[in-house]
Amino acid sequence: QSALTQPRSVSGSPGQSVTISCTGTSSDVGGYNYVSWYQQHPGKAPKLMIYDVSKRPSGVPDRFSGSKSGNTASLTISGLQAEDEADYYCCSYAGSYTNVVFGGGTKLTVL
Amino acid sequence: QVQLQESGPGLVKPSETLSLTCAVSGYSISSGYYWGWIRQPPGKGLEWIGSIYHSGSTYYNPSLKSRVTISVDTSKNQFSLKLSSVTAADTAVYYCARQGINPHNWFDPWGQGTLVTVSS
Repeated sequence: QSALTQPRSVSGSPGQSVTISCTGTSSDVGGYNYVSWYQQHPGKAPKLMIYDVSKRPSGVPDRFSGSKSGNTASLTISGLQAEDEADYYCCSYAGSYTNVVFGGGTKLTVL
Repeated sequence: QVQLQESGPGLVKPSETLSLTCAVSGYSISSGYYWGWIRQPPGKGLEWIGSIYHSGSTYYNPSLKSRVTISVDTSKNQFSLKLSSVTAADTAVYYCARQGINPHNWFDPWGQGTLVTVSS
């Protein structure tokens, strides 16, 4: 069982927007603004899409955005494209003992 | 640009020690950042194993801490993972990645990953 809870799957049609949630506790997501999101295509390594809750690395399309409210972080993908179909993982700082926790992952299907 | 490449045996016997190395190119480990190991069992999610700074300072996943050792060789610009007393549950793709300075725990970029199977 992962420390952070994500929906197992979400779906959307091309051009639509989808939001993936990542629920933790006040000891991780809720306690710090250090949430990151990763995209993983089958057989490939994860790719950083969002860091520090809402910052986008260079080269990541602005269709990808992150936010946080309380103990839940969210990744929103607007203007869905076929190539967005992948698994998405959230990750949070969890204090000086546990340090790093990941979510269980969400499979995004573009219909 | 920064590139990471994992290497090591793809098959390890139960109770033995898994050893992997991550070679870094395009960036000097001594210049900063943390460097981490993450694994992914087949069909499952990501699990952070541990991380190291160029000075040798380390921190580990509490659930694996008793079996994990991460070391760094700045002269070769690489860092290594040792996981002792392995079982079938340690079968996974093992990734290395550059990591933001704690608590900015983002991982970027990642190596391509290497599958390690634990089996007799």
